[in-house]
Amino acid sequence: GAGVSQTPSNKVTEKGKYVELRCDPISGHTALYWYRQSLGQGPEFLIYFQGTGAADDSGLPNDRFFAVRPEGSVSTLKIQRTERGDSAVYLCASSAQLAGSGSPLHFGNGTRLTVT
Amino acid sequence: GQQVMQIPQYQHVQEGEDFTTYCNSSTTLSNIQWYKQRPGGHPVFLIQLVKSGEVKKQKRLTFQFGEAKKNSSLHITATQTTDVGTYFCAGLLYSNSGYALNFGKGTSLLVTP
Repeated sequence: GAGVSQTPSNKVTEKGKYVELRCDPISGHTALYWYRQSLGQGPEFLIYFQGTGAADDSGLPNDRFFAVRPEGSVSTLKIQRTERGDSAVYLCASSAQLAGSGSPLHFGNGTRLTVT
Repeated sequence: GQQVMQIPQYQHVQEGEDFTTYCNSSTTLSNIQWYKQRPGGHPVFLIQLVKSGEVKKQKRLTFQFGEAKKNSSLHITATQTTDVGTYFCAGLLYSNSGYALNFGKGTSLLVTP
């Protein structure tokens, strides 16, 4: 079946601009996660949703970052006033069960964001 | 920030040699998961360990979870070029914010024929 889909695959934007990154999880998966990965680093947790609500947004670096999942399926990560330090690969993952169950994460291919 | 430490950062072996990566947490983990990321790819789930002292095998890969549930290891016997990639451990931690899966920085494995 279809995996986690992320669009766009690449995004180049100028410093100060607003960007939206989209994630389509595996159908029926309850939990959805956003991670950020810089070169040579492991995925850094940003936020996760259980259904429509953000269950844990403690990883969002500051108030320029915001994510929504209005219907409990597709999610959008929004970054305002982008900075060069925001450049990274943004990974989305979904899992069949809630985070506390330890259900494995299925990752998308990521969106590579470059802020110039 | 990342609360799970992983060593070594890099490992270069000759094909046929063994390889081990170690993962340590300062706090007790609910469980630990291992992922593999090929160059240019995304992390792919390998296995989950839940019980104290648990050992699981997948062909040439052996995964262990420490008795105190604070450390884990992945051992690959007789590496092959197809084993190339970065191996991440991810610890499930419970905090006031809920459950979070925290990844280590990974161990990048290079295998030369």
